[in-house]
This record gives sequence, structure tokens and C-alpha cells, in this order.
Amino acid sequence: GAGVSQSPSNKVTEKGKDVELRCDPISGHTALYWYRQSLGQGLEFLIYFQGNSAPDKSGLPSDRFSAERTGGSVSTLTIQRTQQEDSAVYLCASTATGPNTGELFFGEGSRLTVL
Amino acid sequence: AQSVAQPEDQVNVAEGNPLTVKCTYSVSGNPYLFWYVQYPNRGLQFLLKYITGDNLVKGSYGFEAEFNKSQTSFHLKKPSALVSDSALYFCAVRDITGANNLFFGTGTRLTVIP
Repeated sequence: GAGVSQSPSNKVTEKGKDVELRCDPISGHTALYWYRQSLGQGLEFLIYFQGNSAPDKSGLPSDRFSAERTGGSVSTLTIQRTQQEDSAVYLCASTATGPNTGELFFGEGSRLTVL
Repeated sequence: AQSVAQPEDQVNVAEGNPLTVKCTYSVSGNPYLFWYVQYPNRGLQFLLKYITGDNLVKGSYGFEAEFNKSQTSFHLKKPSALVSDSALYFCAVRDITGANNLFFGTGTRLTVIP
């Protein structure tokens, strides 16, 4: 597609439920990132995928968070047993070149609200 | 450890005046530095980057930034602000030693007053 696509754009869920957030990167982009944007907290790195390499999961805040990337394209971020502090905007980004240039293309995010 | 500081949560400037959005960084090696902009209800957009070479880098929409190694700063500037520049600006850094993640600051909200 023309840009990074994320769905759903908004998700309201009850505490304790599981949620899945989807990211469809720009076609041909080999690297994919997930970030979390909370009010006043900037962007928090969650996970990074590069080609067929093992993902860098160093930013995942707890074992309730996981992500996968199927076929080197679409990625799904899963949050199990959601908590109120998980409420945030989850941003996905992709890039064609290696991680060194940092010129990421971001989706418009998935806003998660946990009641 | 890598980190980025944006000391101002909010910057207000009159239309037509020069603007500066401040950023300082901390990395163990040499940095790659970036600015991104987020317009209301939109995703982040890349503005400009410093990798190596000339300390003054020029980017989109007339913005520029100056890399100052001695002050570990990478302030974003524009000679004449437009109302349409009003947005949330993020500075980001990565260490050239190879860490994958790009560290972002907490953002500075720029408001250009007509």
C-alpha cells in the first residue's frame, strides 16, 4: 500500500481482555517497529523486526505483550490480560533500509483504551 | 545508555518569527540524530536527520537542525514560523554501535500564534 496501515484505529476493551493490533507495513520494507505513545511519555520502543532475523524484544514491558510478523510483512501486537496502564496509542513503523538510517514511516496508530 | 531530552514541553512563537525547539542527547558512541513531526490526529513524519558530515542539516518544510557535539545538542530551527508548523515535535537518537531501537524524546508542542 501507499503507507503503513494500522487497525483498529480505536479499541476500547475491558480490563483482563486480550487485544490484537495489526500493522501492514509499506510493501518491500524489511524492518518493522512497534512503539507505544502515552501522554507525556514520548515514544516507548517495544519491539523491532528485521527480515528473517530474531526480533529485538528488549522493549516489551511485560510477558503479557508479544508480537509476531508473518511472512516478513504483516505484524500483530498482542496484549494479554489488559490493564488500565496499557491504555496508549500503539504506533507501527517500517523502513526499507537497515536500522541505521532511522528514517521510519509511521502508521497513524491504534488507540487502546482499557476500562 | 542512550537518551534524549527535550526540555520544553511547549514552545509558543509568533508567526513570522524564528523558532527553536531544543534537544539534547546522550549516547555512548557517535549518534545518529533525527527530528520527527506529528500533526494533530496524524502519524509521525520524518523531518530531517544527522548521520555524518556537515553539522547543519536541512529538512522538509524549511526546517533545519544543527548538530553540536560539544554541547550534545541537536536543536531544530526555522527562520520564519508558519501557523501550519503548529504540531508536536520529537527528537530521536540512535547509537551507531548498532542498537536497533531509536530513542525518542517526550516531545515539544509548538504553537505558532497568528
